[in-house]
Amino acid sequence: DTEVTQTPKHLVMGMTNKKSLKCEQHMGHRAMYWYKQKAKKPPELMFVYSYEKLSINESVPSRFSPECPNSSLLNLHLHALQPEDSALYLCASSQQDPKRDGYTFGSGTRLTVV
Amino acid sequence: AQSVTQLDSHVSVSEGTPVLLRCNYSSSYSPSLFWYVQHPNKGLQLLLKYTSAATLVKGINGFEAEFKKSETSFHLTKPSAHMSDAAEYFCVVTSDSNYQLIWGAGTKLIIKP
Repeated sequence: DTEVTQTPKHLVMGMTNKKSLKCEQHMGHRAMYWYKQKAKKPPELMFVYSYEKLSINESVPSRFSPECPNSSLLNLHLHALQPEDSALYLCASSQQDPKRDGYTFGSGTRLTVV
Repeated sequence: AQSVTQLDSHVSVSEGTPVLLRCNYSSSYSPSLFWYVQHPNKGLQLLLKYTSAATLVKGINGFEAEFKKSETSFHLTKPSAHMSDAAEYFCVVTSDSNYQLIWGAGTKLIIKP
């Protein structure tokens, strides 16, 4: 299995809703990432988990809350989002040293905040 | 500090003609470099990578790239474009951090029939 699976593929939520994005990989990768990508822009790193511990938080607003329940799963909990948070949210995973192998990305969740 | 510059925001070629997407990087050490492709409304797929082995790197779908340290370049090429190559291409360089990669702004490849 060489895939990163993200669900749902599309999500529309109101500004008062609570929702979660899910990501799963079974490649034995020990680092997992959340990226945000706006249209026509490169992805921006949000969070990095290494061995299920949060390693990097790129000053992301608290309305985004990551969670890594185990080495195969990564969640992103969303609460009280703003319309400007609408974007493609990408999950990725890597071996412990991505400098050698790069990342494997999922196909993303297209989020629309109304 | 590391940085990466994709020299063209858009490249338009006719089907069957060669493709050249240009990428220059800046790094204080010997970096790894990657090219990723993103088709419309899709995730990112690794095309190829350079990690200090052979300087000419072959990737998927007939793409290749040459690492030129003297020119600090890592240009992506393909001998003959196909309609399915139409996508956004990102050049990426490793940073000092174990986990963070530095992304170019992207080049949109347009294929004319």
